[in-house]
Amino acid sequence: GAGVSQSPSNKVTEKGKDVELRCDPISGHTALYWYRQSLGQGLEFLIYFQGNSAPDKSGLPSDRFSAERTGGSVSTLTIQRTQQEDSAVYLCASSLEAFLLHYGYTFGSGTRLTVV
Amino acid sequence: AQKITQTQPGMFVQEKEAVTLDCTYDTSDQSYGLFWYKQPSSGEMIFLIYQGSYDEQNATEGRYSLNFQKARKSANLVISASQLGDSAMYFCAMREGEDSNYQLIWGAGTKLIIKP
Repeated sequence: GAGVSQSPSNKVTEKGKDVELRCDPISGHTALYWYRQSLGQGLEFLIYFQGNSAPDKSGLPSDRFSAERTGGSVSTLTIQRTQQEDSAVYLCASSLEAFLLHYGYTFGSGTRLTVV
Repeated sequence: AQKITQTQPGMFVQEKEAVTLDCTYDTSDQSYGLFWYKQPSSGEMIFLIYQGSYDEQNATEGRYSLNFQKARKSANLVISASQLGDSAMYFCAMREGEDSNYQLIWGAGTKLIIKP
């Protein structure tokens, strides 16, 4: 697609429920990143996919968080048994090539998750 | 130690004035890239400007320029003739090249408010 697409744009869920957040990167972008941004804060790295390599999950805050990327394209971030502290904006970004310095990220517009 | 430091949590600037947003970085790599992103209240992250460590000229993109002082490890963003639409969060980020560190490392951001 023309840009990075994220869905849903807003999600309100009850504490304890599972949620799935979707990211559709720019076609041809091999690198995909998930970040979390709490209100008024900077970006917190969650997970990174590069091509067919094993993902870097070092930023996932707990085992309730998982992500997959199917066919090197669409990615789904799943949060199980949501807690109120999971409330944040979840940003997805893709990059043409992760290992070249001058390639920055193109971000999606984010999913605002509210756990009540 | 912080890799990216943005010392100004918030700034107020009069419309049409120039504004400088500070960013200092810390790396032992010789090869790295520096980025600035803008995040308006709508939430999307917008790429503004890139500076490579080997670039001899300061990067410019329209009203944006990057004041790159390599010896001081400083990469300040300069916005000339500020406009009301420049009100947003601004993030400085770095990608290091020699350590196979593929991520963008982010600063905490500066909230810029342009006054009419």
